[in-house]
Amino acid sequence: EAGVTQFPSHSVIEKGQTVTLRCDPISGHDNLYWYRRVMGKEIKFLLHFVKESKQDESGMPNNRFLAERTGGTYSTLKVQPAELEDSGVYFCASSPSWTGETFGSGTRLTVV
Amino acid sequence: AQKITQTQPGMFVQEKEAVTLDCTYDTSDPSYGLFWYKQPSSGEMIFLIYQGSYDQQNATEGRYSLNFQKARKSANLVISASQLGDSAMYFCAMKSGGGADGLTFGKGTHLIIQP
Repeated sequence: EAGVTQFPSHSVIEKGQTVTLRCDPISGHDNLYWYRRVMGKEIKFLLHFVKESKQDESGMPNNRFLAERTGGTYSTLKVQPAELEDSGVYFCASSPSWTGETFGSGTRLTVV
Repeated sequence: AQKITQTQPGMFVQEKEAVTLDCTYDTSDPSYGLFWYKQPSSGEMIFLIYQGSYDQQNATEGRYSLNFQKARKSANLVISASQLGDSAMYFCAMKSGGGADGLTFGKGTHLIIQP
C-alpha cells in the first residue's frame, strides 16, 4: 500500500508569504496528525483530525496556521503570513486507530 | 503534562553488538502507550515498536525489543546484533488517554554503527 505522502518535500519562502503544505494519508486511515520539528527542538504535535473533524488542535502555535481536511481524505496546512520562526520540518502521520502512526517524509520549510 | 527524556544525544556502537537506547517518561495517566521511531538520513519516520502501559510482557519486533520498567518509568529500546543500516536518529514517544491526541517526543538519540 502507498505510504503517507507529503508535498512539497522542500519549500523556501520569504517572510510574509503564504505556504500550503499537503498531506495524503494512507487510504482508509481516519486519523490524520500534523507535527513540526523546529531545529534543535523536539518534534511537537500540532493537531489531529478524525475524518474531516478536528479532534485536537491544542498544539497549533497561533492563528497564522490553518489546517483543513475536506472530505476526510487529504489535508492541507497553510501558514499565512509565514514568519522566520515557522522554519522547520512539518510531518504528517496517519493511523487507523490510536496506536502506530505512520509518518510521511516531511516537508522542510525555510522562511527567509 | 507528559514528558519524554532521552539522555543520549549520540552513540557509537560496533557492528554486531547489542545497543540500548535510553528513554524515561513522565505522565500522571494510568493508561498510556510508548513508541519508538527510527529516522534515517532520508528523513522519513519509521515506526519500530509499541508498548502499552497495561501490557504484562515486554514488546518485541524482530531485532527490536522494549525493556519496559513501569516502576522506574523507563522504556529503553534494545537492538540486538546491530547492523550498519541501523545508523539513524531514534525517537522515543508516548501518548496517553488524558493528554493531547498526538505523540509527545523526546529529543532523540543519534546512533552510529561502526564497521
